[in-house]
Order: sequence, then C-alpha cells, then structure tokens
Amino acid sequence: AQTVTQSQPEMSVQEAETVTLSCTYDTSESNYYLFWYKQPPSRQMILVIRQEAYKQQNATENRFSVNFQKAAKSFSLKISDSQLGDTAMYFCAFIRDPKAAGNKLTFGGGTRVLVKP
Amino acid sequence: DTGVSQDPRHKITKRGQNVTFRCDPISEHNRLYWYRQTLGQGPEFLTYFQNEAQLEKSRLLSDRFSAERPKGSFSTLEIQRTEQGDSAMYLCASSFYGSNDEQFFGPGTRLTVL
Repeated sequence: AQTVTQSQPEMSVQEAETVTLSCTYDTSESNYYLFWYKQPPSRQMILVIRQEAYKQQNATENRFSVNFQKAAKSFSLKISDSQLGDTAMYFCAFIRDPKAAGNKLTFGGGTRVLVKP
Repeated sequence: DTGVSQDPRHKITKRGQNVTFRCDPISEHNRLYWYRQTLGQGPEFLTYFQNEAQLEKSRLLSDRFSAERPKGSFSTLEIQRTEQGDSAMYLCASSFYGSNDEQFFGPGTRLTVL
C-alpha cells in the first residue's frame, strides 16, 4: 500500500514571497505519478502540477515548481511570487501507473497555505 | 463542457435515514471515482467505475454504502442507515482512461448527519 505524508499542517507567506511545501511518500512501485492539488476554501479541487516518476526533470507550471527526489521519495512544491489567490489547502497525491488496474489517488493530509497581503 | 457536477451540494439528515448523492462526470470520461473527505483531512478513495463496471471498492465502503453507474454516465452513491461518522464531504472525480487519466473533481456533497 502507498502512503503520502505532509508534515506541515499550515504555512503562511507574505504576498510576492516564496513558500515550499513538503511531501514524502512510500511505495514499492517503479512507475507512478505524483500530483499537487489545490483546494481553495469552499471550492473544488484542481490540479496544480504533476510529475511522472520516470522523468528526471522537475515539472514546472508558471509560478509552481516541484523538487522530485525519487531515491528519497520526496516531492516538494515551491510557490513563487505568492498571490492572495494561492490561499488554499494543498494536497500531495500519488497514483500508480494510470494504465494499471486499481487506479486511485492516495492523498496526504494537506497543508493549509495562507498568503498575507 | 461544464465539468464534473454533483447534487445536492449540501445534505443534512437525521441518523438512521438513507441518503443518495448524484455525480455527473465530464461527458467523454469513462472512469468515475468517489472519495470521502473529512474535515481537515485529505480525500480517501471509496470506489471507482470504468464505464458501468465497478472495478474496485475500498474497505471503507461498508455494506451500508452502495454505488452504481448504470449506463456508464452518471453515478449515484447511496448511504443507508446513516451514522454520525458518515458526516463528510463526498467528492466525485472523472477521467478518461487512455489519455493521461487526469482526474477532474466535482465540488462535492457535504453530508451532515445529526
């Protein structure tokens, strides 16, 4: 079974500053995907960024980037130039190869990010 | 396309009552998932369908829970004899198996059992 751990329950950051969220996971799978999802208050969850385990290059999406350390099973998210709209719960998630059976997301407990003006 | 929709958005019920939730996935998506999220926690997988076939159920899905996707389109999740511990947000997601299988989430149904 896979587990995903987010050790920071809450983080605050000043607008325009950078914040890094931590995530570690445990799996015996060799091919998998990792995600960061954003859940704003009272709004639905949206995908922020994804990383395929077989790719060594870290994924980036505009102000969001990841630091994927496969050997350490670590997958951190960096939010640069934080904006007020980044205030949300952020969840790290794991999925086995989507082409495999039993395809479900395993989520961490979440990190609440508060961006202060 | 308007994305994944769920109905109702909120449901308050008394312990022991039955409730049913509906999820309408993105129209071309052939996979549909149900997750449960309790306050302050990450979502937990309940079950998923590929077309109309229910392919996996979590052990969290007790015999009081049943899910259907009769025509491979919308899905329903029924909880019988609700308990206070069933209070949670029930999330539906859909994806297209065969592409990158990204899961798109609906807004959820918040259930409160009194």
